[in-house]
Amino acid sequence: EDQVTQSPEALRLQEGESSSLNCSYTVSGLRGLFWYRQDPGKGPEFLFTLYSAGEEKEKERLKATLTKKESFLHITAPKPEDSATYLCAVREAGNMLTFGGGTRLMVKP
Amino acid sequence: DAGITQSPRHKVTETGTPVTLRCHQTENHRYMYWYRQDPGHGLRLIHYSYGVKDTDKGEVSDGYSVSRSKTEDFLLTLESATSSQTSVYFCAISESILGQGFGTDTQYFGPGTRLTVL
Repeated sequence: EDQVTQSPEALRLQEGESSSLNCSYTVSGLRGLFWYRQDPGKGPEFLFTLYSAGEEKEKERLKATLTKKESFLHITAPKPEDSATYLCAVREAGNMLTFGGGTRLMVKP
Repeated sequence: DAGITQSPRHKVTETGTPVTLRCHQTENHRYMYWYRQDPGHGLRLIHYSYGVKDTDKGEVSDGYSVSRSKTEDFLLTLESATSSQTSVYFCAISESILGQGFGTDTQYFGPGTRLTVL
């Protein structure tokens, strides 16, 4: 069964149109939730780590939040260069990550 | 960017041939990982290493073996490649598995190797 589910699978936004990506998880003992950005043909690029419900982190136009069952990646006034696939992953025991399927974001000028 | 290189970056091979992919890091991180990325499956862990000569299996380890004789190098071998192993392979590294309060459990990824098995 899926432990990490991302939605939507794809999202098309106009430049400046804010939105949120969702990552829901069903792991029993969360040891960390990670957000990555992946551009076509490249490896995932680390964005944020969240450890506790209520925690928030920001970087430029991105803000990640965490509850006990899900995380949101909020994108404020996106630009075309924010177009990418955004991946979330959770860590339980050890250091094995379980990844979601990703959300492909397209921002049109 | 984390100092991680993968070689080769692209490879086409035939079914039944052995293939070795190399991951090299310049960060002196203890942990190294091999993932594969496939449409519809996301990133899945194949094997990982927690030190020189210390390795363990991940979620999809069948058909793969690994070796780590030096801190900086982690090799992934397909003993007899099959078409189902056509994929993009990523190496990752992390400093430790200590999380909150230390922040050293982040995994940083290499640029990937695209492998096609005909």
